[in-house]
Amino acid sequence: GAVVSQHPSWVICKSGTSVKIECRSLDFQATTMFWYRQFPKQSLMLMATSNEGSKATYEQGVEKDKFLINHASLTLSTLTVTSAHPEDSSFYICSARGQGRTGELFFGEGSRLTVL
Amino acid sequence: RKEVEQDPGPFNVPEGATVAFNCTYSNSASQSFFWYRQDCRKEPKLLMSVYSSGNEDGRFTAQLNRASQYISLLIRDSKLSDSATYLCVVNEAGNTPLVFGKGTRLSVIA
Repeated sequence: GAVVSQHPSWVICKSGTSVKIECRSLDFQATTMFWYRQFPKQSLMLMATSNEGSKATYEQGVEKDKFLINHASLTLSTLTVTSAHPEDSSFYICSARGQGRTGELFFGEGSRLTVL
Repeated sequence: RKEVEQDPGPFNVPEGATVAFNCTYSNSASQSFFWYRQDCRKEPKLLMSVYSSGNEDGRFTAQLNRASQYISLLIRDSKLSDSATYLCVVNEAGNTPLVFGKGTRLSVIA
């Protein structure tokens, strides 16, 4: 089946640094990828929709200059958390639908970010 | 405004029990419905899609009531391995993002 790979799975960084998370679709091309964030005991909250070859669409309340998204190819989207702060500590998950698929999303393994 | 609402639980049930989860959604234009399972510190994984006619997959039965905007999941003969958080998920149409409920936590105890 379709696989979405996310890297790194764990990252700890100092406050003020930037962290890049990669999301790859391994056996299908994904024109659209979604980035979610999940705080403990909370639901997945959509941050942005990443579109290949164009600018990402951000949800209300998500700072586009802080969460930089790049979707340069049909198999790779990256999320960069710039100038990370402790409140950015969370579980970040990407997901994608393959071409021709409707409904089901395939999720990456998630990246747990801890900002000290 | 909460788009997808679920009882957060936790539901603590003994092995072999039958347990049901409910979910309501607010957007009447929603077209696709799913139950996902999420284990602690893991990504969500699709458990099953939900169809208007209702559908069954082994011990799991999903039902959809469009008129009431209500979705349910029934788990029969609960196993210890069923312990997880069950997410009710709704999609408006096409390639729009899925909307997740907060999830219902299930603990199956021996």
